[in-house]
Amino acid sequence: QSVLTQPPSASGTPGQRVTISCSGSSSNIGSNTVNWYQQLPGTAPKLLIYSNNQRPSGVPDRFSGSKSGTSASLAISGLQSDDEADYYCAAWDDSLNGWVFGGGTKLTVL
Amino acid sequence: QVQLVQSGAEVKKPGASVKVSCKASGYTFTSYYMHWVRQAPGQGLEWMGIINPSGGSTSYAQKFQGRVTMTRDTSTSTVYMELSSLRSEDTAVYYCAKGLDYWGQGALVTVSS
Repeated sequence: QSVLTQPPSASGTPGQRVTISCSGSSSNIGSNTVNWYQQLPGTAPKLLIYSNNQRPSGVPDRFSGSKSGTSASLAISGLQSDDEADYYCAAWDDSLNGWVFGGGTKLTVL
Repeated sequence: QVQLVQSGAEVKKPGASVKVSCKASGYTFTSYYMHWVRQAPGQGLEWMGIINPSGGSTSYAQKFQGRVTMTRDTSTSTVYMELSSLRSEDTAVYYCAKGLDYWGQGALVTVSS
């Protein structure tokens, strides 16, 4: 059981916009920033979004993040087949004194 | 460019210990904390703890307290994660991650009798 809650799956067709939610509590998302990671099959996670809505250099602006209260969202616009991957949210948890992750969302491009 | 190169796959028996290494390059080793995160087969990511390469201080997730030890060698820019009293549930890919932004390639640890 992950501390952060994500839907196990999401899907969309090429060109569509999809969003992935991440729900937490006052001790994690409610008081700290959120990172998002993309994990392609058989590879290490890659940082996609940090500090709720900042993109590292090299990450396309099709990827965007937002946060409101104790929830965060990742939006992917102009969906491409290469976007098919697992996506994870993460945040520091003040009560646990550690980082916590969502259970991951498997994105399928139909 | 930042590179984190981890040691290879390991097979261990229950009750044994494993030590995974992570050699960093491409940045100032002592300027960024190093995290360890593991991923069991088909499962999500689990944070294990963090080490400050500068002073060597550590902080571990409660789940791993007493079983995990993270150390560093500044002369070789390498961090280590040792997990003891291994059980089958510890079978996973173990990742090091600089500041949780750049990640190593992972090291598969299999615990099996």
